[in-house]
This record gives sequence, structure tokens and C-alpha cells, in this order.
Amino acid sequence: DAKTTQPPSMDCAEGRAANLPCNHSTISGNEYVYWYRQIHSQGPQYIIHGLKNNETNEMASLIITEDRKSSTLILPHATLRDTAVYYCIVRVAGGNSGGSNYKLTFGKGTLLTVNP
Amino acid sequence: DGGITQSPKYLFRKEGQNVTLSCEQNLNHDAMYWYRQDPGQGLRLIYYSQIVNDFQKGDIAEGYSVSREKKESFPLTVTSAQKNPTAFYLCASSSGQGPPQHFGDGTRLSIL
Repeated sequence: DAKTTQPPSMDCAEGRAANLPCNHSTISGNEYVYWYRQIHSQGPQYIIHGLKNNETNEMASLIITEDRKSSTLILPHATLRDTAVYYCIVRVAGGNSGGSNYKLTFGKGTLLTVNP
Repeated sequence: DGGITQSPKYLFRKEGQNVTLSCEQNLNHDAMYWYRQDPGQGLRLIYYSQIVNDFQKGDIAEGYSVSREKKESFPLTVTSAQKNPTAFYLCASSSGQGPPQHFGDGTRLSIL
């Protein structure tokens, strides 16, 4: 799986958009970008994923550059409950056969602190 | 609601004792995983199982054991051979469809 680079920490004011960057310059053509977050003392929570097109769901938007070497997770209106560590993960998608689904590599992520 | 249940949330172990962490899922997922997280660190894979009655070692399997007798259950035993068992343990499952893995809320294990 490709390696990712994220800033260790970021701050955001409540109600403003939070833009979390991720560099993945060695990403392969069949690798997706996944975002998870982990609130203190809880399990990671899936947020969104994408291959090359921008994606949006009820939680966030994912913007992937045309060369796919970086991406940005956008929380449009951050709340205090969005304070968490955000992980950007790059890996192939696919089912259990072939073993490609067996591991997620979580780095240290970005600690996003939303301030009142 | 469907999800993954880990119990207990907090667990204490005496030196030399084995202890078993429970993980149950009602998502009908084939694959299940155990991760360990140390303070300020990412997750490290201990064991995974892609199907009932089959499991594979992850990156840090020494001192741990698992079983997968039922699709919905994947208990992890931390044996006395694990020299640094104090950590946050996370269980996950996946179907191969949609998000890669769904996680439980973890068990925090401490040594008395």
C-alpha cells in the first residue's frame, strides 16, 4: 500500500470548514483513498473514500487532485464533536478473496481540534 | 442496529494470567480483524480471519491467540507470553463491499 503524509495537527473554528490535506505521491492506479477518524477512546469511524473523482456524502467531501498524488478531506461546517484524529489511508479495494482486504495501515493521522 | 460489540470496555490482568477479549458482529461480514493501538500511535494488525475456521497472523501476533468458530465471533486471547499487553485493542469486520472495515469501540487492557 502507498504511504501517506499528513500534518500532525490542525485547528479550526467551530462553524467553519475544516480542510485536511493528505499527500500520497506513490499511489498506484488501482489504489483508493480512504478517510477514517477516531474520537478519543473510540474505534475508528469510516468517513469517505474515492478513486479519482471527487466524492461527497453526509459527513464530508473528498477532493482528489488530477494526478492523484494528494487529496483533501473537507468538513464543511465543523462542530466541536468533529474534534478527532483523522487518518488518510491508501490501499487497493476489493473483496476478501486474494487477501487484499486484510489490512488497513493507520499512521499517526492529523489531530483536528475544533475550537468554540 | 448492526454493528460490532467489544466487551468489556476496560479489563485488568494480573501478571502471568491469560485474558480473553470478546468481539461480536451482527453485520454478516466474512472477515474480522484484531488491532492493537498504543498511546499516540497508529493501529497494528494482530490477527485476521477471512472466513470461519480460518485465521492468519498479522504483524504482531506473538503472545496472542484467536479462534473463529462462528461467523459472528472472533475472540482474542492475550497470553502470559505477551510481555507488554497494556494497550487499546480494536476489533473490526468487513464484507469486501463498501468501506473496508467497521470497528468496535475497543477494549482497554491494563496490567495490575
